[in-house]
Amino acid sequence: SQQGEEDPQALSIQEGENATMNCSYKTSINNLQWYRQNSGRGLVHLILIRSNEREKHSGRLRVTLDTSKKSSSLLITASRAADTASYFCAGAGGTSYGKLTFGQGTILTVHP
Amino acid sequence: DTAVSQTPKYLVTQMGNDKSIKCEQNLGHDTMYWYKQDSKKFLKIMFSYNNKELIINETVPNRFSPKSPDKAHLNLHINSLELGDSAVYFCASSQDLADLYGYTFGSGTRLTVV
Repeated sequence: SQQGEEDPQALSIQEGENATMNCSYKTSINNLQWYRQNSGRGLVHLILIRSNEREKHSGRLRVTLDTSKKSSSLLITASRAADTASYFCAGAGGTSYGKLTFGQGTILTVHP
Repeated sequence: DTAVSQTPKYLVTQMGNDKSIKCEQNLGHDTMYWYKQDSKKFLKIMFSYNNKELIINETVPNRFSPKSPDKAHLNLHINSLELGDSAVYFCASSQDLADLYGYTFGSGTRLTVV
């Protein structure tokens, strides 16, 4: 079963704008991760936030986690055309021990 | 150096054939995985191995048989291929089962069954 469900399914913005993607999950986790997948390529790990953390930053990325609402958000600031990709959240640990369970992804298109 | 490499990148084969996909990681990780990504981009775990031992077999048909000769390799053999097996298969690894640092994925094998 899917652990994460991303919202929106697709997002189209202009270069320089911020992009926010949301993720909801169903069962308990030890950490939540975000990955990027460029068309025809493998997934690249972006950032991991642990269940006892509420916010984390990495460069232009900001991730929040609300375990009471079982939700997370990924913010990409000052987006670039090169950020065009699919973004997936994935839960690890808890009932997903030994595996990452992925959501269906958000397709982000950044127009130059 | 490619951290997780899988071969082949593309595989086109007829129904009923048997095929293998190979995966190797040079990261020194203990845990390796196979994931299947369908046409809607949904990623589903198939198997996970930790130090060559099968940890997860996620209700995959027994036509799929993983083999881990050592902790750096996890190969996937598929017997009697069916049209529904067409997908992109990703190998991945993580430091260990606790997965505190994220997965490293291979670039995928696009399998097309005709």
